[in-house]
Amino acid sequence: QQQVKQSPQSLIVQKGGISIINCAYENTAFDYFPWYQQFPGKGPALLIAIRPDVSEKKEGRFTISFNKSAKQFSLHIMDSQPGDSATYFCAASTGNQFYFGTGTSLTVIP
Amino acid sequence: KAGVTQTPRYLIKTRGQQVTLSCSPISGHRSVSWYQQTPGQGLQFLFEYFSETQRNKGNFPGRFSGRQFSNSRSEMNVSTLELGDSALYLCASSLGGQGVTDTQYFGPGTRLTVL
Repeated sequence: QQQVKQSPQSLIVQKGGISIINCAYENTAFDYFPWYQQFPGKGPALLIAIRPDVSEKKEGRFTISFNKSAKQFSLHIMDSQPGDSATYFCAASTGNQFYFGTGTSLTVIP
Repeated sequence: KAGVTQTPRYLIKTRGQQVTLSCSPISGHRSVSWYQQTPGQGLQFLFEYFSETQRNKGNFPGRFSGRQFSNSRSEMNVSTLELGDSALYLCASSLGGQGVTDTQYFGPGTRLTVL
């Protein structure tokens, strides 16, 4: 059973556009929601993370929106750039056990 | 601070063999988690070690095992390799305090190919 459901599986965006990736979860015990970015041949790198006591967190061009009642959270990449082309994973965690979404392959076209 | 390191980076084995992968966490991190990453299944949690004890375990067969040493370095072993074990094996470390969910930092992974 997939604890965290991620969509879409792949996404193509024009340079300068907004990329949006969505995740949903069921376990209300989750208390930490990170997003990771992974380039080919590399391990996932932490991009941005949020805890359920806030509804939004912004770091540069990256924003997490969190809806506790709907048990959903999303990553918004503003002004998307070709260098943002990578695979993005959402995750949810409680007690040092992390559950990952299946990943979204983002391609930003110049 | 040095990041998470994994050795070796690449491995080629044949079916039936066994393999041992190594992970050195970030200095001061006491929790080490292992994941299997495949194109079809994404990141699958194998197990987590904290202070030399397995604290959490995923749904993998007993052929997959691990251990952690007193310096927090961890090894993962896969016995009787199967073709389906071909994957990128990732190690992640965190501070690992009890009752606190903190950030996991990943290593570059070990690419295992089983022929």
